[in-house]
Amino acid sequence: EAGVVQSPRYKIIEKKQPVAFWCNPISGHNTLYWYLQNLGQGPELLIRYENEEAVDDSQLPKDRFSAERLKGVDSTLKIQPAELGDSAVYLCASSQGQGDEQYFGPGTRLTVT
Amino acid sequence: KQEVTQIPAALSVPEGENLVLNCSFTDSAIYNLQWFRQDPGKGLTSLLLIQSSQREQTSGRLNASLDKSSGRSTLYIAASQPGDSATYLCAVFTGGGNKLTFGTGTQLKVEL
Repeated sequence: EAGVVQSPRYKIIEKKQPVAFWCNPISGHNTLYWYLQNLGQGPELLIRYENEEAVDDSQLPKDRFSAERLKGVDSTLKIQPAELGDSAVYLCASSQGQGDEQYFGPGTRLTVT
Repeated sequence: KQEVTQIPAALSVPEGENLVLNCSFTDSAIYNLQWFRQDPGKGLTSLLLIQSSQREQTSGRLNASLDKSSGRSTLYIAASQPGDSATYLCAVFTGGGNKLTFGTGTQLKVEL
């Protein structure tokens, strides 16, 4: 069974440019998460979806970040415009439901110059 | 606010040694607890999930325990191998399982 798929794996952009990350969760997993991980830190939740509904986006900086999960499967996380401080690893995870074991993708390493 | 602490931050041991990684959390009202490993430049790999009603969970050479009342979990690795070298992260579910809070991890190096 395929795991959580993310693309791209690496992205280098100049500040003020837009960037988008894509995630395909494990088949049948209703809950999808986007996390941000800074170097030497544990992941921090940005947004959680239950099917196509964003049920927790309290940590998402809505002035520049947006996300969508059309049809309750794939998800896209966008940053516009990117800032130097956005350089980090963006991780996507999925689970069957809330509180269930979470499975992570390989992440997208973003570098903003 | 739930805070998760992992001690030590880094650990180096010779191959074959048994070792214990520690995780503590400030709010004992947790739903579940999950241990992960992360290799450099990679995503997180789930190792074990302990439900709040369980005291321990085993998978191969790994054994994780949970003591909710004291706010602690330990990950025991038996007969360590160089391939076990990675960062180990502990994460607790709170808010009825809605939110996962991570520790900062223990960086383990197993030397030949």
